[in-house]
Amino acid sequence: DSGVTQTPKHLITATGQRVTLRCSPRSGDLSVYWYQQSLDQGLQFLIQYYNGEERAKGNILERFSAQQFPDLHSELNLSSLELGDSALYFCASSGPSGEGTQYFGPGTRLTVL
Amino acid sequence: GQQLNQSPQSMFIQEGEDVSMNCTSSSIFNTWLWYKQDPGEGPVLLIALYKAGELTSNGRLTAQFGITRKDSFLNISASIPSDVGIYFCAGQFTGAGNMLTFGGGTRLMVKP
Repeated sequence: DSGVTQTPKHLITATGQRVTLRCSPRSGDLSVYWYQQSLDQGLQFLIQYYNGEERAKGNILERFSAQQFPDLHSELNLSSLELGDSALYFCASSGPSGEGTQYFGPGTRLTVL
Repeated sequence: GQQLNQSPQSMFIQEGEDVSMNCTSSSIFNTWLWYKQDPGEGPVLLIALYKAGELTSNGRLTAQFGITRKDSFLNISASIPSDVGIYFCAGQFTGAGNMLTFGGGTRLMVKP
């Protein structure tokens, strides 16, 4: 158990819908990262938050957004969902400096029908 | 998006055999990491390497950070059935957002 929690474990929805994925980092970690894992693109970095502020952005679509709350949990919002958004979404967290080893949560499997 | 070149893509070996996999990149990194992912789970960190030339072991696992900072390898000695899974290398360049760039993975299958 990495100490990073993600909910829900599975999510099935329809095209055009909007969903929210939730992540709680390890105790004491200030940075949260979101990654997408799909069959054709592999594991891709989406976005990083550090202590409530966006720190880095990767290959994140404009239809996707994220935020980190004062209690340090983070949410990833996916809207206008398309079939190709079906993937595993992982959250990772790292220590108080915002750098260092990243520990991954168990992921949310999103299926868009 | 950018990915590291990881090889082989898959390996089917006999229990007790040694395994070697590697990762190369066109960019330099200042940290290399190796993760293992079991089906339906998140990646679990196996070994982290922080210095060019560094050789680090974790039980039956040994990994090295290449001198050029553009490559890394992972060896598993005397494989056992629970080594089955997908192994990912990841490069990290701290100071540029700290994000990880992943290889495509090596799927390891072990025959008892």
